[in-house]
Amino acid sequence: EVQLVESGGGLVQPGRSLRLSCATSGFTFEDYAMHWVRQAPGKGLEWVAGISWNSDNIGYADSVKGRFTISRDNARNSLSLQIHNLRAEDTAFYYCAKDILIATRRFSSLEHWGQGTLVAVSA
Amino acid sequence: SSELTQDPAVSVALGQTVRITCQGDTLRSNYASWYQKKPGQAPQLVMYGKYNRASGIPDRFSGSSSGLTASLTITGAQAEDEADYYCGSRRDSSDNHVVFGGGTRLTVL
Repeated sequence: EVQLVESGGGLVQPGRSLRLSCATSGFTFEDYAMHWVRQAPGKGLEWVAGISWNSDNIGYADSVKGRFTISRDNARNSLSLQIHNLRAEDTAFYYCAKDILIATRRFSSLEHWGQGTLVAVSA
Repeated sequence: SSELTQDPAVSVALGQTVRITCQGDTLRSNYASWYQKKPGQAPQLVMYGKYNRASGIPDRFSGSSSGLTASLTITGAQAEDEADYYCGSRRDSSDNHVVFGGGTRLTVL
């Protein structure tokens, strides 16, 4: 069974940094692209960032480019999202998701999702 | 604003058929995926690629597309289908950018 478990969320002051993690199991992590998606309170889904299976293809939403960094550790089956200079508008549930395609640099459909971790940015 | 456009809300009588649509230029060259999101739950993939149902999705869900519009159809809607539905796709010819529509809230009456 595929499992994705996010951690690292919490209440953070504006301007601070935060690192989210996603522990995975139940599939060959190194074979799949991975993504972060967020949902702010009362808003829709927003794709944040994606990384290919071998990290040679990385993309970010325009709204987070320059402040967010996605990375992966294939040896530890884990995905991370480093967030700098947090803003109130970054308040959201952050979901880790596994791509459906195997061993390709192209991003596709998000097949499996974690339960999310809440990031709240407030003074 | 989203690069994929969805109607904010749609309603359907229990047991009837409903179509949820998604429009965008990127659908000219990319397939849409469909996701179901219920309050307090993780999103769930419903449809992907050329009309493929994700694992565990009932066959009352189906997909179609025409030009710049993709559609998700629920034939014989059930109470448990009440949820927010989002389309998603790659952005234009990009390999590394995904976009979602603004979502459609489905109410089953």
